Amino acid sequence: NAGVTQTPKFRILKIGQSMTLQCAQDMNHNYMYWYRQDPGMGLKLIYYSVGAGITDKGEVPNGYNVSRSTTEDFPLRLELAAPSQTSVYFCASSYSSGDTETQYFGPGTRLLVL
Amino acid sequence: GNSVTQMEGPVTLSEEAFLTINCTYTATGYPSLFWYVQYPGEGLQLLLKATKADDKGSNKGFEATYRKETTSFHLEKGSVQVSDSAVYFCALRSNAGNMLTFGGGTRLMVKP
Repeated sequence: NAGVTQTPKFRILKIGQSMTLQCAQDMNHNYMYWYRQDPGMGLKLIYYSVGAGITDKGEVPNGYNVSRSTTEDFPLRLELAAPSQTSVYFCASSYSSGDTETQYFGPGTRLLVL
Repeated sequence: GNSVTQMEGPVTLSEEAFLTINCTYTATGYPSLFWYVQYPGEGLQLLLKATKADDKGSNKGFEATYRKETTSFHLEKGSVQVSDSAVYFCALRSNAGNMLTFGGGTRLMVKP
């Protein structure tokens, strides 16, 4: 199993540009998550999904959109990039939402908005 | 709301030294507690977890005990190695939802 994969690894955007961060998992997990990690800060949840066709907002959803058309894929869309979106983005997945459930993380996408 | 507070880093130790990284939390109810580790250039990996008061999570020589009376979950290791150099995140999941709340992370640097 590849686990959770993310592309690209690194990207530079100009203000106002748009892009999609890709995330895929091959563990047949129902739950998927997008986090952002700012320097010296913990991870903050952007959006999550409990299954194909179902998404919900996390703590910091403004400026982002997501979709979940398949169990495997959970892309994150930035429509109008802003410098405040410079961050490292992590995708994660888990089988269920149980309070002991482990989340598995991808390697991250580093985004720089100039 | 829920929150997790970790000691700020970086923590710099010599090989074989004793490690403690402090973590305290604020949450309603009885959360589950986690330590995740992030090695350079990689995503987070679960290191250990505890789901109820007085539980001790352990893995790879690391330990942490769920202390409800002090709302703490400090990470310890008796003898660190250079390969333990990484960023360590304390996190909680409340029993009211499925979201993890993370601390700010503590960078550990172990020198030979």
